[in-house]
Formats: sequence, structure tokens, C-alpha cells
Amino acid sequence: AQTVTQSQPEMSVQEAETVTLSCTYDTSENNYYLFWYKQPPSRQMILVIRQEAYKQQNATENRFSVNFQKAAKSFSLKISDSQLGDTAMYFCAFDAQGGSEKLVFGKGTKLTVNP
Amino acid sequence: ETGVTQTPRHLVMGMTNKKSLKCEQHLGHNAMYWYKQSAKKPLELMFVYNFKEQTENNSVPSRFSPECPNSSHLFLHLHTLQPEDSALYLCASSQARWTSGQAIYNEQFFGPGTRLTVL
Repeated sequence: AQTVTQSQPEMSVQEAETVTLSCTYDTSENNYYLFWYKQPPSRQMILVIRQEAYKQQNATENRFSVNFQKAAKSFSLKISDSQLGDTAMYFCAFDAQGGSEKLVFGKGTKLTVNP
Repeated sequence: ETGVTQTPRHLVMGMTNKKSLKCEQHLGHNAMYWYKQSAKKPLELMFVYNFKEQTENNSVPSRFSPECPNSSHLFLHLHTLQPEDSALYLCASSQARWTSGQAIYNEQFFGPGTRLTVL
């Protein structure tokens, strides 16, 4: 069975600094997708960034980037120039088949950005 | 209304009550999902509907009964729930397309959730 592990239940960072959230996963599949979702307090979960396993280049979306290490089965999220609005739960998610309806989520990391 | 909406946002019910959660998506998608989010646990996929047909039932107890009358609406009917069913219930939708006889699903868009408390 596929599993997703987020080893940091909580993290904090000062505004304008950089923070990295870790995620590891376990699978025997090859053509999978990985995601980071953000869930702000009392607000909707939104997709932050997505990585397809067949792509060697790390995905980037503005201040958000990933470090995808396929051999190590690691998928960390780096947030640069942290802003107060980045305070949220961050969930790592895994789609074993790439384009399937089944996402496996980690338990989440609660990130607090301090002023 | 835009995106995915859910009503009610909060619900308190007794174990003998019957209630329903409603989800509506305004994105023109054809697949809809129910998830359960409990504290300190990963999101659990409960049900998936694709083109109004249920394609996934993730071993969910029968006290949860989904209904998808059309591709824009999804309900979760609740009856004789247990206190451990208290959680945030999230609805999501996505666009699915058929390629070589297989459904390929795009990014899921989530609603704000219904916070359910069972007394």
C-alpha cells in the first residue's frame, strides 16, 4: 500500500524567511504524481504545486518550489520569502497511477509564519 | 457562487438523527468526491462519483449514504452516526476524461467543508 509521511507536525518561520517542509512516500509505481495542498484556517484546501514523477525538473510556482528526489522517495516543499498568509496546514499527497481519482494524503504540517 | 460550495458549514446532531450534507460545484466538472478529515489523521477518501456513477466506496459504513443526482451536486446522507464520526467532511470535484478506455482525472478542487459533531 502507498503511504505518505510528513514527519513535522508543526513548524514556524519568521516572515520573509525560507522554510522547507518534508514529505516522503512509499510506492513501487513509476508514473505517479505528487502534490502539495494548503489548507488555511477555516478556509478551503487549495493546490499549491504538483510534480509528475517522469519529469526530472523540480516544479516551481512563484515562491513555492519542490525538491523531488525520486530515488529517495522524497518530495519537500520550499517556501521562500514567507508571508503571513502562508500560515496554514500543508498536506503532501500522492497519486499512484498519475491521473487517478485516488489521492493518498499525509497527516499534514501546521506552518505558522510569525511577524 | 464559484468553485465548490458546501452546506451546512457546521452541523451538530444526535446519534439517532438523520441529516444530509450538500455539495455543489460550479466548475463544470464531472467527478465529485467525499473525504473525511479527522484531527491528526490523513484525509480519508470515502466516495468517488464519475459521470454520476459511483466508482469508489472506500469501505465506508452504511450509515453514510452518498447520492449524486447530477454532475454538479453531491449529497452525503447521515443516519445513526457515532461520536467517532465527528470530523470535517470535505467535498471535492475534478474533471475526468476518457483516454484509451481509462478515466484520467485532473486536479481536485475542494470545498470549505462541513464541521460535523455527533453527540
